[in-house]
Amino acid sequence: DTGVSQDPRHKITKRGQNVTFRCDPISEHNRLYWYRQTLGQGPEFLTYFQNEAQLEKSRLLSDRFSAERPKGSFSTLEIQRTEQGDSAMYLCASSFGGTRSYNEQFFGPGTRLTVL
Amino acid sequence: AQTVTQSQPEMSVQEAETVTLSCTYDTSESNYYLFWYKQPPSRQMILVIRQEAYKQQNATENRFSVNFQKAAKSFSLKISDSQLGDTAMYFCAFMSTSGTYKYIFGTGTRLKVLA
Repeated sequence: DTGVSQDPRHKITKRGQNVTFRCDPISEHNRLYWYRQTLGQGPEFLTYFQNEAQLEKSRLLSDRFSAERPKGSFSTLEIQRTEQGDSAMYLCASSFGGTRSYNEQFFGPGTRLTVL
Repeated sequence: AQTVTQSQPEMSVQEAETVTLSCTYDTSESNYYLFWYKQPPSRQMILVIRQEAYKQQNATENRFSVNFQKAAKSFSLKISDSQLGDTAMYFCAFMSTSGTYKYIFGTGTRLKVLA
């Protein structure tokens, strides 16, 4: 197992364009999270999936954001009509939910988005 | 709503010395988890140490230990025998055991270990 992976690692786009990021969690993990981290801040929760079900969305996730996790495997995060304020590091994390675990999350390397 | 506060934006320590990073949190829950994560420059976050709120004993992982004061809602991280590789951002995180198990992070402390 190689851990949580994210693609791409860097994305530069022009304002108004759509972007999509992918996250591949650790294979046996049923929980998947997306966070956003801006410069000098800690990560902020965006959304959570348990298997394929999206169970919570933060108020930070405006209508321009959408996330999916088809078949409970990889996840995608799409931002439509990007704005300069969307520039940030987007982190994906996964965890195994169960009584035998601490529910600790394992993080991917992140996708750094720059909106020009 | 839970909040996590890290009041030290930056700290430095000499190699081989000991440093303590502070973290306070606010919650009305009685059972939860607390974590310290390390984020080296341009690298992904990795778990340093975890603490379950119902355990009174402070967690220890090699050179890393915590001072967990539940009544005071304080969760500090002590790094002993600091190494150059400890240079990183350190984030304190709170996780409720109800709901979605999402993390609430502090704003982080940038630690620099000096040779």
